[in-house]
Amino acid sequence: KQEVTQIPAALSVPEGENLVLNCSFTDSAIYNLQWFRQDPGKGLTSLLLIQSSQREQTSGRLNASLDKSSGRSTLYIAASQPGDSATYLCAVYNAGGTSYGKLTFGQGTILTVHP
Amino acid sequence: DAMVIQNPRYQVTQFGKPVTLSCSQTLNHNVMYWYQQKSSQAPKLLFHYYDKDFNNEADTPDNFQSRRPNTSFCFLDIRSPGLGDAAMYLCATSPSGQGVKNIQYFGAGTRLSVL
Repeated sequence: KQEVTQIPAALSVPEGENLVLNCSFTDSAIYNLQWFRQDPGKGLTSLLLIQSSQREQTSGRLNASLDKSSGRSTLYIAASQPGDSATYLCAVYNAGGTSYGKLTFGQGTILTVHP
Repeated sequence: DAMVIQNPRYQVTQFGKPVTLSCSQTLNHNVMYWYQQKSSQAPKLLFHYYDKDFNNEADTPDNFQSRRPNTSFCFLDIRSPGLGDAAMYLCATSPSGQGVKNIQYFGAGTRLSVL
């Protein structure tokens, strides 16, 4: 059974800092990994999707890397801003014995960026 | 334009009073999912439909039911909501077929309160 762990559970940084969020998964037989953002009381916003054959993806100030063999992914946020404050969720796609895959989420990292 | 639409965004119900949450999609995906996300927890898959085939997760309570009258719509019925059912309910869709193009698309969620 796939398990996804995110470290740290919470992170508080001053504005302008570069930061790294970590995600690890136990079953390396994944075909996608996705990072989401969730604002309080809201749904999920997809940030980055990394296919299993890729090593990283970039979008603006965000960079996500994937090391499938070691079961790890990182989300790097450059020059953090107060508007980046949210919960960041990592999720992995496995075959799960189906023809369309199953998605397993980590519990998230709560990020607070202080002005 | 929103591709996965959940209604209502906020729902308040009384303890024990049946409630129905709605999800519709314009993507013509044949797989639809319902997740439950309690405060500060990871989204948890309740069940999913592959076309008309219903697939229940082993630990989903009998109090939760679902209907999919056609490709576009899927409903989550909570027969007798308890206080512990207060949560964010997320609907997602995906195409079938494993591989890197199999991605789940999420709606904005319905936040359910039980009084």
